[in-house]
Amino acid sequence: DQQVKQNSPSLSVQEGRISILNCDYTNSMFDYFLWYKKYPAEGPTFLISISSIKDKNEDGRFTVFLNKSAKHLSLHIVPSQPGDSAVYFCAASALNDMRFGAGTRLTVKP
Amino acid sequence: KAGVTQTPRYLIKTRGQQVTLSCSPISGHRSVSWYQQTPGQGLQFLFEYFSETQRNKGNFPGRFSGRQFSNSRSEMNVSTLELGDSALYLCASSTLLNTEAFFGQGTRLTVV
Repeated sequence: DQQVKQNSPSLSVQEGRISILNCDYTNSMFDYFLWYKKYPAEGPTFLISISSIKDKNEDGRFTVFLNKSAKHLSLHIVPSQPGDSAVYFCAASALNDMRFGAGTRLTVKP
Repeated sequence: KAGVTQTPRYLIKTRGQQVTLSCSPISGHRSVSWYQQTPGQGLQFLFEYFSETQRNKGNFPGRFSGRQFSNSRSEMNVSTLELGDSALYLCASSTLLNTEAFFGQGTRLTVV
């Protein structure tokens, strides 16, 4: 059951430009949303999160937007850097339950 | 503070065998969850344990089972292995499941 969907398996952007990664969810019970970054041969690492009571959270170059009515969240990376190249997973959680999307592979070209 | 430790890192098994994977969470974390990662499927939720109790389970067959010990360490067992079980198995620990979770490096299981 794909309760969390990342419909773009890959994204390529130029260094210095904005990267926008999208995520949709179906379960309205989810109340906390997270983004993780994963490099090859490593486990995912937490990047940024947002509670359902907010619609935006910013941390340096990373901003997550939440549109609850559309059940959609997005991660903006500005400016993108080559070191941001990784697989990004969005996750949505409710009590005792955290589900992940399939991931989007971001490639930032120098 | 030590991170999440998963052992072994790599494993090769033959069809029909069973396997046990281990996860030691960050000290003080009582929630341990397990995920299977395969290409194109992302991270699929297997189950979550909190204080030795399984609180939630994903849509996997009964061949996949787990347990958690009193020290919060967790094991995952897969019986009667199938080729399709080849994947990266990740364990994550957190104070509560619906907060930031910390992942281990995973166990790469190959079934031949």
